[in-house]
Amino acid sequence: DARVTQTPRHKVTEMGQEVTMRCQPILGHNTVFWYRQTMMQGLELLAYFRNRAPLDDSGMPKDRFSAEMPDATLATLKIQPSEPRDSAVYFCASGYGGAGETQYFGPGTRLLVL
Amino acid sequence: EDQVTQSPEALRLQEGESSSLNCSYTVSGLRGLFWYRQDPGKGPEFLFTLYSAGEEKEKERLKATLTKKESFLHITAPKPEDSATYLCAVQGDSNYQLIWGAGTKLIIKP
Repeated sequence: DARVTQTPRHKVTEMGQEVTMRCQPILGHNTVFWYRQTMMQGLELLAYFRNRAPLDDSGMPKDRFSAEMPDATLATLKIQPSEPRDSAVYFCASGYGGAGETQYFGPGTRLLVL
Repeated sequence: EDQVTQSPEALRLQEGESSSLNCSYTVSGLRGLFWYRQDPGKGPEFLFTLYSAGEEKEKERLKATLTKKESFLHITAPKPEDSATYLCAVQGDSNYQLIWGAGTKLIIKP
């Protein structure tokens, strides 16, 4: 049963610290999405990649967030420096990327910045 | 502007009491309408994709339908384990991003 995996599942850090979240997409999927979910805003798209190339990162605060895909099996989302307003659940999703294609979500990383 | 509105925000039902959740959408060139289920502390779990008006899909007690302006998720004789937040999203022809609704929180009481 292929699944998207994310690490860590939970992260508590202090303001100003660097946070790195990792995602392993489903093998064979060529598109990876990073989302943030909060009670107030719901699901927000931060960035997405196709064939490891960034296609859109307009949803990310550029001064502190960065997203990369070092290889086809790993996507990373970094926050540096972190701020309390970054506290949220961060989801990674993967898919085949075509029109009407389904996105499959990981379990999320729950981030709390104190 | 592409937009998705889900109603109601929350719905409480007795076990066995059938009902429907609504997803109204505005999108340029619908490529797909997606329903997901999300349990507390978990990621959204894919349920259905609908592509064109008139299409219907079923899975156990759930049935999704689609018109040119909205989709319904019908829940027949629900059980407590159907309690979750149900999310709707659409993909238009402007790009491959999904436009998400805020979700409907469904609570089924035994």
